[in-house]
Amino acid sequence: NAGVTQTPKFRVLKTGQSMTLLCAQDMNHEYMYWYRQDPGMGLRLIHYSVGEGTTAKGEVPDGYNVSRLKKQNFLLGLESAAPSQTSVYFCASSYLLANEQFFGPGTRLTVL
Amino acid sequence: RKEVEQDPGPFNVPEGATVAFNCTYSNSASQSFFWYRQDCRKEPKLLMSVYSSGNEDGRFTAQLNRASQYISLLIRDSKLSDSATYLCVVNALNRDDKIIFGKGTRLHILP
Repeated sequence: NAGVTQTPKFRVLKTGQSMTLLCAQDMNHEYMYWYRQDPGMGLRLIHYSVGEGTTAKGEVPDGYNVSRLKKQNFLLGLESAAPSQTSVYFCASSYLLANEQFFGPGTRLTVL
Repeated sequence: RKEVEQDPGPFNVPEGATVAFNCTYSNSASQSFFWYRQDCRKEPKLLMSVYSSGNEDGRFTAQLNRASQYISLLIRDSKLSDSATYLCVVNALNRDDKIIFGKGTRLHILP
């Protein structure tokens, strides 16, 4: 089992460009999450999903959109990237909200 | 009071020593608690869950104090490989369904 995988691992964007980060899990988990991690800020929840076809806002959703068309995939979109979105993005999944979360290796995004 | 608070450290501890740190939480409705470990430039990984009765796994002991609203992590006989950032996670399984990560405590084990 691969667990949780993220694509791409690194990306550099110019301000105003768009991109999609892909997260995939092979553990049949219902819950999936997108976090960003910045120095001194800890992990902050962007959006999450409680099942296929559902999404919900987390703590810092502005500037991001998500989709969960298939249970195993959770996509995070940036429509118009801004330098403030320079961060490390982690995807995670869990069987239930109360359970352990399994994290992907992260995507390091730089917006110039 | 912040929702989840941790001392950021760093804790500089000699190898073989015992170290403990706490994590306080503000929401009394919180129901599940975890400690994660995060190595530099890596993803967080579960270290252990924290149960009401406490939890021990080898050199690591986690405890929950609901009355004072904090969880603790104790590391005995510390190893160089224990150097990492330790994150506490608090889940408030009410209608807000909040999952809050602490900002982490950095631990450096010194040879």
